[in-house]
Amino acid sequence: NAGVTQTPKFQVLKTGQSMTLQCAQDMNHEYMSWYRQDPGMGLRLIHYSVGAGITDQGEVPNGYNVSRSTTEDFPLRLLSAAPSQTSVYFCASSSQTGSGNTIYFGEGSWLTVV
Amino acid sequence: GQQVMQIPQYQHVQEGEDFTTYCNSSTTLSNIQWYKQRPGGHPVFLIQLVKSGEVKKQKRLTFQFGEAKKNSSLHITATQTTDVGTYFCAGPKGATNKLIFGTGTLLAVQP
Repeated sequence: NAGVTQTPKFQVLKTGQSMTLQCAQDMNHEYMSWYRQDPGMGLRLIHYSVGAGITDQGEVPNGYNVSRSTTEDFPLRLLSAAPSQTSVYFCASSSQTGSGNTIYFGEGSWLTVV
Repeated sequence: GQQVMQIPQYQHVQEGEDFTTYCNSSTTLSNIQWYKQRPGGHPVFLIQLVKSGEVKKQKRLTFQFGEAKKNSSLHITATQTTDVGTYFCAGPKGATNKLIFGTGTLLAVQP
């Protein structure tokens, strides 16, 4: 039972480079989301999706794009990386909606932008 | 905007002592969830509270949802070294699907 799988686990980028963080879940969950975690800031919602073809912004969406072409996958794209995007990124999923349902997190992706 | 704050930010206890973290929302929550994150790990769901004044227990952990559904607490009795980690509360933003996390409380337990 894979659950929520994130790749890569670690990545170093140069300022201005682009990259995609991959996220896949095998639980047939409709709701998926991306969070970033910075020291002392807790988890902040970047983008989320309530189903294939539907995405919406979270608390800190600037600098990130998402798409949801399938139920299983929810990639997060950084178009032009900045040092302020150095963080730990967590993908999460839950059944139906995120409100009132257990959220399952991936193991995280550690991103450093130099 | 809606804010979810937790206090304290950090707590250091001796093994066997009790521990409590408090979660306060600026708005009424339809439900509240608690998560635990071990150092270097990812958040793991602990419990969800839905009803006003609800109290739930999991072994040495006691969770409480305030009467006004704007605050919650997690109490650990007789802490153990396995309790080490950051405890987060989380609640939905208004009637949306957005789950907003609190700032977290880092618990350190000295053997």
